[in-house]
Amino acid sequence: GAGVSQSPRYKVAKRGQDVALRCDPISGHVSLFWYQQALGQGPEFLTYFQNEAQLDKSGLPSDRFFAERPEGSVSTLKIQRTQQEDSAVYLCASSFGQGNEQYFGPGTRLTVT
Amino acid sequence: GNSVTQMEGPVTLSEEAFLTINCTYTATGYPSLFWYVQYPGEGLQLLLKATKADDKGSNKGFEATYRKETTSFHLEKGSVQVSDSAVYFCALSVDTGGFKTIFGAGTRLFVKA
Repeated sequence: GAGVSQSPRYKVAKRGQDVALRCDPISGHVSLFWYQQALGQGPEFLTYFQNEAQLDKSGLPSDRFFAERPEGSVSTLKIQRTQQEDSAVYLCASSFGQGNEQYFGPGTRLTVT
Repeated sequence: GNSVTQMEGPVTLSEEAFLTINCTYTATGYPSLFWYVQYPGEGLQLLLKATKADDKGSNKGFEATYRKETTSFHLEKGSVQVSDSAVYFCALSVDTGGFKTIFGAGTRLFVKA
């Protein structure tokens, strides 16, 4: 079956622009996670959804970052007024439930110029 | 707080050599422990996991044992292959009312024929 998909795969934004990154989780997966991965580092947790409820957003680095999952399936991570330090790969993962294996998407590589 | 420390890479081995990648953690509560692998050009995928002390996770010839007394989860393989060349991430998961996963920085493994 289809895995987790993310779009776009690559995004170049000028500093100050807003961007929206999309994640399509595996059908039926209740839990959805967003991570930020800087070059040469491990993924850093950003936020977690269970269905449409955002249960943990403690990893969002500033109020410029906003995530939603209004119908409990597709999720969007929005970054307002992008800065150079936002350049990273943004990973989405989904799982059947809490504690289950997370399946990762290919990521969106964001470059802010 | 919760954190994961793993040995720095890159690690370069010849085919059929023994592999150890060290991982230690600090955590509040009782975490689950994971090794994820990222092959070149592919997304992160779960390699193995252990959910309680003394559990041994194993997959594809890789093993790791959850050692609570030394807060460690070292990855081992008796005989590596060229196809094992990848980046390996140690991770832990704790229930914080949500379900946050904390990753180490990753260890790149090169296996030479």
